[in-house]
Amino acid sequence: AQSVTQLDSQVPVFEEAPVELRCNYSSSVSVYLFWYVQYPNQGLQLLLKYLSGSTLVKGINGFEAEFNKSQTSFHLRKPSVHISDTAEYFCAVSDYGNTGKLIFGQGTTLQVKP
Amino acid sequence: ETGVTQTPRHLVMGMTNKKSLKCEQHLGHNAMYWYKQSAKKPLELMFVYNFKEQTENNSVPSRFSPECPNSSHLFLHLHTLQPEDSALYLCASSQDLSAMGGYTFGSGTRLTVV
Repeated sequence: AQSVTQLDSQVPVFEEAPVELRCNYSSSVSVYLFWYVQYPNQGLQLLLKYLSGSTLVKGINGFEAEFNKSQTSFHLRKPSVHISDTAEYFCAVSDYGNTGKLIFGQGTTLQVKP
Repeated sequence: ETGVTQTPRHLVMGMTNKKSLKCEQHLGHNAMYWYKQSAKKPLELMFVYNFKEQTENNSVPSRFSPECPNSSHLFLHLHTLQPEDSALYLCASSQDLSAMGGYTFGSGTRLTVV
């Protein structure tokens, strides 16, 4: 069975500083990987996804993530955060099995301080 | 209107009430999902529908009854709920069950059971 672990429940950071949100997954098969963002009182919005090919993927709002197969990780990064990046971030994994299922991590709250 | 629309946004119901949550997507997607998001817990997949046929029931109690009359609409009928069922209920859709494109989420229905 697949699982996703987000290693930090909260990440406080000052505005304009870089940030990394960590995600590790376990799966015995090849996977698709996703990062979503959830602003207060809203649903989840897709930030970026890894399907295959280049291990560095770029998403919206200046975020990027790197797929590392040997470490089974998919960490999310941004070189300079803004106050508006304050939100909950979710890592998710899906297998190639055509079940439609996405397995989500517990979420990481990014708190950007002025 | 585009995207995934959920109504109502907020719902307060007694334990003996019957209510329904509605989800509508205008994206031409063929798969639709119900997720439950509780505080301090990962998102829990409840049901999966593909071409209006249920393909997954993740051991959800029978007090939750889904209905998918067509690929664009998804309902969640609620009856005799418990206070622990209070949560944010999220609807999502995807092009198909490969989920390669990820999901598109609605804004959710915040349910409070009193």
